[in-house]
Amino acid sequence: LAKTTQPISMDSYEGQEVNITCSHNNIATNDYITWYQQFPSQGPRFIIQGYKTKVTNEVASLFIPADRKSSTLSLPRVSLSDTAVYYCLVGDGSGYSTLTFGKGTMLLVSP
Amino acid sequence: NAGVTQTPKFQVLKTGQSMTLQCAQDMNHNSMYWYRQDPGMGLRLIYYSASEGTTDKGEVPNGYNVSRLNKREFSLRLESAAPSQTSVYFCASSEAGGNQETQYFGPGTRLLVL
Repeated sequence: LAKTTQPISMDSYEGQEVNITCSHNNIATNDYITWYQQFPSQGPRFIIQGYKTKVTNEVASLFIPADRKSSTLSLPRVSLSDTAVYYCLVGDGSGYSTLTFGKGTMLLVSP
Repeated sequence: NAGVTQTPKFQVLKTGQSMTLQCAQDMNHNSMYWYRQDPGMGLRLIYYSASEGTTDKGEVPNGYNVSRLNKREFSLRLESAAPSQTSVYFCASSEAGGNQETQYFGPGTRLLVL
């Protein structure tokens, strides 16, 4: 499985934009990049997925450079309720794989 | 739609006892998964079922068995619980397998083995 590396933790304040970068140097041609969010005592929740360039939905944006060796999850104007763990996942190159969750990035948003 | 439901929410077992964790989904998904999450860790895949009638081992299958009872239900059984199996267990489902498929997670079962 392609290994991902993310910061263990990040701090921010309400109203700021938060960018969480994930590196995946060994990403395979047919791998997608997916981000999940997990609140305490809950299961992970899908946020966004992309293959290349930029993807935007109502919650976040995902920026993927041309070499696809990294990706950046952008959360605009965070609020206290965005405090959670964020996981970056890629596949194993087969196009069919189960997901492997690393330790994720703990984002703490303060007033 | 309830999505993915899990029972029980909490359970305390003594070493050597057995139990079955139940999971059901009402989204007509083909694939289902069982994960465990230990404190400060990400989720680790125990078993998955790509489709009704099939099951496969994940990263940490030892000490567990699974049954894909039908398309809706996927159970996880601990035959002889050990303290190392103290964890939070999450069930998930997706329309199909594949790393580009969105997985939908249940609320989790918190298990303590004494």
